[in-house]
Amino acid sequence: GAGVSQTPSNKVTEKGKYVELRCDPISGHTALYWYRQSLGQGPEFLIYFQGTGAADDSGLPNDRFFAVRPEGSVSTLKIQRTERGDSAVYLCASSPFPSAGGPYNEQFFGPGTRLTVL
Amino acid sequence: QKEVEQNSGPLSVPEGAIASLNCTYSDRVSQSFFWYRQYSGKSPELIMSIYSNGDKEDGRFTAQLNKASQYVSLLIRDSQPSDSATYLCAIGAISNFGNEKLTFGTGTRLTIIP
Repeated sequence: GAGVSQTPSNKVTEKGKYVELRCDPISGHTALYWYRQSLGQGPEFLIYFQGTGAADDSGLPNDRFFAVRPEGSVSTLKIQRTERGDSAVYLCASSPFPSAGGPYNEQFFGPGTRLTVL
Repeated sequence: QKEVEQNSGPLSVPEGAIASLNCTYSDRVSQSFFWYRQYSGKSPELIMSIYSNGDKEDGRFTAQLNKASQYVSLLIRDSQPSDSATYLCAIGAISNFGNEKLTFGTGTRLTIIP
């Protein structure tokens, strides 16, 4: 079946602009995650959705970052007043449903969106 | 101390040999352990998961977990040039919000020498 998809694959914007990044999870997966990966680093957790609600947004770096998942499927990560330090690859992952210590929490990543803020 | 530590490498292994990748973690309540492979310019791909102490084998890959020592490793037998990639260790633990949150290491860059 289809994997996680993300659009756009690349986004170049100017400092101060607003951007939206989209994620379409694997069909039937209720859990959705956003991560950010900088060069030479592992992915860093941003936010987790279970269904429509943001169950854990503790990884969002500041209030310029916001994410929604209005119908429990597609999610959009929104970044206001972008800064050069926001440049990174933004990764989305989904899992069937969260269950601690079991296979249903295996997370599968999309191809990512490379964001460049000039 | 970092929560998840990996040797950044590069680790060079001759083709056909065994590649051994190591990871240590600091959170004793961690419950899930994953290895992801990431090719240059691509996103992480899940290759192994392990939840209990001992070994888990899948094809040429074996994951080993020792919770007492807070150590997880990945062995790749009969290494192939296509195994050349960065290998990310990820540790899952229940957050204060009830979800299992993954913490990643910085990855080990593996190069298989033909």
